Amino acid sequence: KNEVEQSPQNLTAQEGEFITINCSYSVGISALHWLQQHPGGGIVSLFMLSSGKKKHGRLIATINIQEKHSSLHITASHPRDSAVYICAVRLNTGNQFYFGTGTSLTVIP
Amino acid sequence: DTGVSQDPRHKITKRGQNVTFRCDPISEHNRLYWYRQTLGQGPEFLTYFQNEAQLEKSRLLSDRFSAERPKGSFSTLEIQRTEQGDSAMYLCASSFSGGANEQFFGPGTRLTVL
Repeated sequence: KNEVEQSPQNLTAQEGEFITINCSYSVGISALHWLQQHPGGGIVSLFMLSSGKKKHGRLIATINIQEKHSSLHITASHPRDSAVYICAVRLNTGNQFYFGTGTSLTVIP
Repeated sequence: DTGVSQDPRHKITKRGQNVTFRCDPISEHNRLYWYRQTLGQGPEFLTYFQNEAQLEKSRLLSDRFSAERPKGSFSTLEIQRTEQGDSAMYLCASSFSGGANEQFFGPGTRLTVL
């Protein structure tokens, strides 16, 4: 069983739609990381959070520590948002990160 | 460009050969991580350094894998006697322990073992 589960695995949306990607985890964590990976492998950090909510442009990330759940929202989605979005958690027992398998997002014009 | 570089970007080798990859982290970052990623999966932790000390190592890392960070700056990952199952993208990331420990990833080295 993976310590980090993401849903959905694949998501197709029309341009302009509001998108939500979910991440649930089963271990005690000190922080959660949302990452974006484009075809070809490059991974970009979007957010690192340990409580509450963060916003950057059209992206919003929230975390509920008690429920062990985080969401990544994209408002007014655009084709350039098409990528794989990965959730990773840092264990509170060290500095290892466990990663989800990612959510593949395709935004259609 | 995140500031983390990896070399080479692609490596094709024959089974049984040794390969070595290099990672140059962001200069102020004292932590360096190695991950392996196969198609359709998220990155899988291999090992992590704080300065020159290798502090954590995955149980999945066989004795054919070794990593070093001799001066606390760049790091190398060596795979000895490569197997076809070693074919994957090898990712390096760096972070600064004094802050949020947000990781910045390199572009990866794609290894193909024939």
